Amino acid sequence: QITLKESGPTLVKPTQTLTLTCTFSGFSLSTSGVGVGWIRQPPGKALEWLALIYWDDDKRYSPSLKSRLTITKDTSKNQVVLTMTNMDPVDTATYYCTHRQVGGTSHCSYDYWGQGTLVTVSS
Amino acid sequence: QSVLTQPPSASGTPGQRVTISCSGSSSNIGSNTVNWYQQLPGTAPKFLIYTNNQRPSGVPDRFSGSKSGTSASLAISGLQSEDEADYYCAAWDDSLNGVVFGGGTKLTVL
Repeated sequence: QITLKESGPTLVKPTQTLTLTCTFSGFSLSTSGVGVGWIRQPPGKALEWLALIYWDDDKRYSPSLKSRLTITKDTSKNQVVLTMTNMDPVDTATYYCTHRQVGGTSHCSYDYWGQGTLVTVSS
Repeated sequence: QSVLTQPPSASGTPGQRVTISCSGSSSNIGSNTVNWYQQLPGTAPKFLIYTNNQRPSGVPDRFSGSKSGTSASLAISGLQSEDEADYYCAAWDDSLNGVVFGGGTKLTVL
């Protein structure tokens, strides 16, 4: 079965760079059609899409955060890494790693989610 | 301010049918498919509806989705207490070149 798990720091200081790792099992990012995305949710607020990477290294980014985000994959390790530069307290949120539905008709059909990891930005 | 507009709250009594709307524009809902997610308190979102009206395996047929023009709706029939959750719509936006979510609707089962 498909599982995803996020890992990374729980606390970062303003201006620092956040690096989050998604380690998954049950699928391969070298298989045609597969994608892994990142979505975040500030406490008490709505979901916000961040980025998506496909098996062929096609990458999509949130237009409002594109300058700060980088998404990469390591197929051999079954991992996807998201980096976000210049962190600010408003970036405090739970960050989710997701599996994009294979055969889905859009970039926003995520059928499996990790448990999420809360990242707090504070000095 | 979310690109997709949802009512902040909705409510119903057990057994009732409730609908949650999601309003967008020609660049998102008007030209792309809509997905819905259910988020129970303290948990990660769950895939509820895809491609406007399709249910993933395991989702009860009490949940249904529809789309017309630049708006979409999620309907829940035979409301149950365990349906109390936040519901989000999502779609790709061709103008923004990114995924947009609704602000979420908190469903209360009275």
